[in-house]
Amino acid sequence: GAGVSQSPSNKVTEKGKDVELRCDPISGHTALYWYRQSLGQGLEFLIYFQGNSAPDKSGLPSDRFSAERTGGSVSTLTIQRTQQEDSAVYLCASSRTSGGGPYNEQFFGPGTRLTVL
Amino acid sequence: AQSVTQPDIHITVSEGASLELRCNYSYGATPYLFWYVQSPGQGLQLLLKYFSGDTLVQGIKGFEAEFKRSQSSFNLRKPSVHWSDAAEYFCAVESGSGNTGKLIFGQGTTLQVKP
Repeated sequence: GAGVSQSPSNKVTEKGKDVELRCDPISGHTALYWYRQSLGQGLEFLIYFQGNSAPDKSGLPSDRFSAERTGGSVSTLTIQRTQQEDSAVYLCASSRTSGGGPYNEQFFGPGTRLTVL
Repeated sequence: AQSVTQPDIHITVSEGASLELRCNYSYGATPYLFWYVQSPGQGLQLLLKYFSGDTLVQGIKGFEAEFKRSQSSFNLRKPSVHWSDAAEYFCAVESGSGNTGKLIFGQGTTLQVKP
């Protein structure tokens, strides 16, 4: 079956603009995660969705970052007023059910590379 | 706080040689541990995972890892490296807070394979 897909694969934007990054999880997966991979910070957790709700937003770096999930499926990560330090690869992952554990492998998408000029 | 350390940022081995990538974790209870591989332009692929039981776990592509509680380590090994193994490798621990399953990653080790 199809894996996790993300779009766009690459995004170049100017400082101060807003961007939206999209994630399509594996069909039927209820848990969805966003991570950010940057040179200085490595791979960091951003936000976790259980269905359409986000019980853990602890990794969002500032209030410029927000995310939503609709229909228990597609998720959008929005960055407002982008800054150069937002340049990174944004990875999305999904797992069959919530809560982690031995039967809930996270499957990762290919990522969106964001460059802020 | 939970954390993962991969002491080696970059490793170069010759094709056919053995490989060991180091991973140390900080976690209060029995950790759930993972190794992922990321090839250029690709997402993360799970190599193997440890939850409980046998401390030597086998994964895909001929990789194995050994959980050593006394050393807080979960080192990844492969007896004979192939050129296609060149990639970035990440060790991760599942965060125990909030029962979310979110992962805490190490900084990654880039593996270069010499012909």
